[in-house]
Amino acid sequence: DAGVTQSPTHLIKTRGQQVTLRCSPKSGHDTVSWYQQALGQGPQFIFQYYEEEERQRGNFPDRFSGHQFPNYSSELNVNALLLGDSALYLCASSLGGVNIQYFGAGTRLSVL
Amino acid sequence: DAKTTQPTSMDCAEGRAANLPCNHSTISGNEYVYWYRQIHSQGPQYIIHGLKNNETNEMASLIITEDRKSSTLILPHATLRDTAVYYCIAFSLQGAQKLVFGQGTRLTINP
Repeated sequence: DAGVTQSPTHLIKTRGQQVTLRCSPKSGHDTVSWYQQALGQGPQFIFQYYEEEERQRGNFPDRFSGHQFPNYSSELNVNALLLGDSALYLCASSLGGVNIQYFGAGTRLSVL
Repeated sequence: DAKTTQPTSMDCAEGRAANLPCNHSTISGNEYVYWYRQIHSQGPQYIIHGLKNNETNEMASLIITEDRKSSTLILPHATLRDTAVYYCIAFSLQGAQKLVFGQGTRLTINP
């Protein structure tokens, strides 16, 4: 049983560019949450998707957007990248958004 | 979401029990206490959660005080692979279903 998978593992972009990160949830899970983790900090909630709709959103600007597909996989898009967007981006899946969230290994984004 | 307070760092000898405290004095009645850990360069890993009663699984035990204002995560026989940052989180199954991570406790297991 595959767990939560994220791609790519690492990514290097320059300021102003756009990036798309991908997440496949754990088998049987229908909810995907995205988190940003800056170096030395705990993960910060970006948003959560359920039934292809954004259900909850954290304190992140509109440059951060997402999508959930009918197979429950999800994408995180970040536009107009800033140096401060450099971080580990984590995807977590759960069933119905409650109880236990299982995390992927993350995508390390570096903005130069 | 209730705020949790944890020590910044702790050390424990290999083979001994590691006891990680967490204060959550403002926790509400419908908030569970969840513990996750994050080993370097990996995603957070779920450990255990509880509401009122003490809980035990194959990884750890969770002791919650009767007034629910604090809890302790116990790793009974710590190994070097338990070296990680441990996060204590107060999480409600109602409303905003997001995990609010603090700074956590950096636990170092020494040989």
